[in-house]
Amino acid sequence: GQQLNQSPQSMFIQEGEDVSMNCTSSSIFNTWLWYKQDPGEGPVLLIALYKAGELTSNGRLTAQFGITRKDSFLNISASIPSDVGIYFCAGLKDNYGQNFVFGPGTRLSVLP
Amino acid sequence: GAVVSQHPSRVICKSGTSVKIECRSLDFQATTMFWYRQFPKQSLMLMATSNEGSKATYEQGVEKDKFLINHASLTLSTLTVTSAHPEDSSFYICSATGPSGNTIYFGEGSWLTVV
Repeated sequence: GQQLNQSPQSMFIQEGEDVSMNCTSSSIFNTWLWYKQDPGEGPVLLIALYKAGELTSNGRLTAQFGITRKDSFLNISASIPSDVGIYFCAGLKDNYGQNFVFGPGTRLSVLP
Repeated sequence: GAVVSQHPSRVICKSGTSVKIECRSLDFQATTMFWYRQFPKQSLMLMATSNEGSKATYEQGVEKDKFLINHASLTLSTLTVTSAHPEDSSFYICSATGPSGNTIYFGEGSWLTVV
């Protein structure tokens, strides 16, 4: 299906630095999902957001559902080498899992 | 969380043969599953939406006679790559809508190599 916009496309950071990436769309979504994909594996769900303005944490990860319902961001604090991978956002427009779109991903590299 | 499993994780087949990849929802029923293809360093490309008990809906440009999808039960969808060619070699991933309907879970992916 159609894609969301994710930025940045890729980023190189030093171990220990904080990371911020976002996902934007011209459409409104009811749910935002963030996934991480390690090389050669399927995406793993990191955080799910269900309400506008919702801020949710999962360990060193924090994500927020934008007030306008058209965007979301994901922050990673104190990055470590295993944070390397591709981070995808996904937006769901309904509660039946049928009408969703994916972002192109943000590729994160962590330098030791 | 809900678990989706794919099998096999890696398969090598000869050109001209068919190969089947299974996608199972292990601890929930999935009326809808999705199949993707992913090329190296690229995003997921949705191939088709698989609905239990009905025909799959294919994305534009995906050959339905080449990529046969069957969703015969609420926990299993299969993708069969027919008359495989080397250009079909890729990473295939499935996903399923979770029990609540507002989350999607992915399988581990299946590497297909056609020689």
